Amino acid sequence: ILNVEQSPQSLHVQEGDSTNFTCSFPSSNFYALHWYRWETAKSPEALFVMTLNGDEKKKGRISATLNTKEGYSYLYIKGSQPEDSATYLCALLNYGGSQGNLIFGKGTKLSVKP
Amino acid sequence: GEEVAQTPKHLVRGEGQKAKLYCAPIKGHSYVFWYQQVLKNEFKFLISFQNENVFDETGMPKERFSAKCLPNSPCSLEIQATKLEDSAVYFCASSPRGAEKLFFGSGTQLSVL
Repeated sequence: ILNVEQSPQSLHVQEGDSTNFTCSFPSSNFYALHWYRWETAKSPEALFVMTLNGDEKKKGRISATLNTKEGYSYLYIKGSQPEDSATYLCALLNYGGSQGNLIFGKGTKLSVKP
Repeated sequence: GEEVAQTPKHLVRGEGQKAKLYCAPIKGHSYVFWYQQVLKNEFKFLISFQNENVFDETGMPKERFSAKCLPNSPCSLEIQATKLEDSAVYFCASSPRGAEKLFFGSGTQLSVL
């Protein structure tokens, strides 16, 4: 059974702080790594899909990096704002052959205090 | 449609009753995924479809759970003889191609009493 680990479980920061969290996954049979942002009572929303080792993606103040050889991805938020408060989920895609599923980590819950 | 539509939003069933959940993927999306969220933040994969064909069902409980995606109909997830532990939010998601980002529906909250 594949295990996708996220740390920390939760994080409390002040408005304006920059922060980052980690997603670890088995590096064998890697296909893609997804990041989702999930606000309470809403649906998860895709941030990034990353496939190549060394990939770096950016969307506004949020960016992510990927290391497929060692099996980790970092998500960075620069200058956190209260509206960034959400759970950030990463998910490993197994795809191909008879596999077609996305294995989610348990998420990092970010709270940004004004 | 432009978003994944899940119905109903809430479903209450007595233990032993049947539950049926529906999901209309975004038009043009070939892949549909079902997830069960039991504990906070834990998304458990159930099954995926490529059009009307089962693509991966490694997460589906062998008994009581079944799912279909038929042409020109919403996809469905059915639980026969529900148990208390089936209480969860069931999320459906679709994607245009299997390896691309998922678009999630708003979920169906199933409560088994």
